[in-house]
Amino acid sequence: DARVTQTPRHKVTEMGQEVTMRCQPILGHNTVFWYRQTMMQGLELLAYFRNRAPLDDSGMPKDRFSAEMPDATLATLKIQPSEPRDSAVYFCASGSRLQGGTEAFFGQGTRLTVV
Amino acid sequence: AQRVTQPEKLLSVFKGAPVELKCNYSYSGSPELFWYVQYSRQRLQLLLRHISRESIKGFTADLNKGETSFHLKKPFAQEEDSAMYYCALGSGYSTLTFGKGTMLLVSP
Repeated sequence: DARVTQTPRHKVTEMGQEVTMRCQPILGHNTVFWYRQTMMQGLELLAYFRNRAPLDDSGMPKDRFSAEMPDATLATLKIQPSEPRDSAVYFCASGSRLQGGTEAFFGQGTRLTVV
Repeated sequence: AQRVTQPEKLLSVFKGAPVELKCNYSYSGSPELFWYVQYSRQRLQLLLRHISRESIKGFTADLNKGETSFHLKKPFAQEEDSAMYYCALGSGYSTLTFGKGTMLLVSP
């Protein structure tokens, strides 16, 4: 049963520290999404890759966030420096284009707390 | 620009009652609509997509292009349906845009 894997599952860090979240997409999927989930805003798209190329990162604060795909098996989301308002659950999802649209398969998320 | 609106943050019903979770979208092209569900402490998972016209766990959703809606319905709610439900919009090779979600609580 192929699944998207995210690490770490939980992260508590102090304000100002760098945070790196990792995602292993499902083998063969060519699309990777990063979403942030909060109570107030729901699911917000941060970045979107297709065939490892960033297609849309307009939802990401550029001054502190960065997203990369160094290879097809790894996507990373970094926050530097982190701030308390970054506390949220960060989801990675992967998918492939099918008839009827791109179905996204989600990881279990990284719960980030910045104190 | 793509936009998905789920007007209700919380929907509370009794077991056996009908359920309708509302979703409206804004998109100028040909939309592809999905419903995702997130049970407590679990990852989001696809519930159904409009093109399949299927019923999953008793849920159905019909795309109404005239009203730009994709409401999720179930005639008789069960306690195990309690979860967070997200409507999502995608098209072509564009991204997947989610609504803010509706929490469904089904009481015994």
